[in-house]
Amino acid sequence: NAGVMQNPRHLVRRRGQEARLRCSPMKGHSHVYWYRQLPEEGLKFMVYLQKENIIDESGMPKERFSAEFPKEGPSILRIQQVVRGDSAAYFCASPLQGATGELFFGEGSRLTVL
Amino acid sequence: GDSVTQMEGPVTLSEEAFLTINCTYTATGYPSLFWYVQYPGEGLQLLLKATKADDKGSNKGFEATYRKETTSFHLEKGSVQVSDSAVYFCALGDNAGGTSYGKLTFGQGTILTVHP
Repeated sequence: NAGVMQNPRHLVRRRGQEARLRCSPMKGHSHVYWYRQLPEEGLKFMVYLQKENIIDESGMPKERFSAEFPKEGPSILRIQQVVRGDSAAYFCASPLQGATGELFFGEGSRLTVL
Repeated sequence: GDSVTQMEGPVTLSEEAFLTINCTYTATGYPSLFWYVQYPGEGLQLLLKATKADDKGSNKGFEATYRKETTSFHLEKGSVQVSDSAVYFCALGDNAGGTSYGKLTFGQGTILTVHP
């Protein structure tokens, strides 16, 4: 959706490397959700952040994954020591405040782990 | 926990055919229900929604009715076009509000291809 910017659009990493995915929400928005879409599956919630706060990280894998949303700059999803199973599309979304479930998604970052 | 089950695809139709994509859900409480569409190479877009039982969501000729008795939210369109070719996701969201309003449970998606 226009307004939610993600980069890179495509990222290739070798096993053991680090992946950093960036998301700038819609202008004026200070909340982001990250979702992961594994091949042939629907999206799975990972984490919900506000500026400088992690609100809900119940969907994040316990190891190697972290997320932040600093006061200045984009939200970053970081995956350390990537494995082939991390290959997926990672989407971030800005929520429409006060409207359950209405999310504006970015175009996604497609991570391929060789 | 909450879950959404969608009709398996892919679905292939000719232009102007009738479309139904089935969606059933399991949830505690009274969720809101959504259909999102993902065109090739793009992020998901909200297509329609319904927030309570018997509500009908509609947009761009698509409709879906929130059926509490059958826990279903089937997507329908009377006459599909080639431009409707996309992946369609059914989803549910918790109406409890607070911090959960953007935390959705998605089905696995149904690929629709419409031929001229």
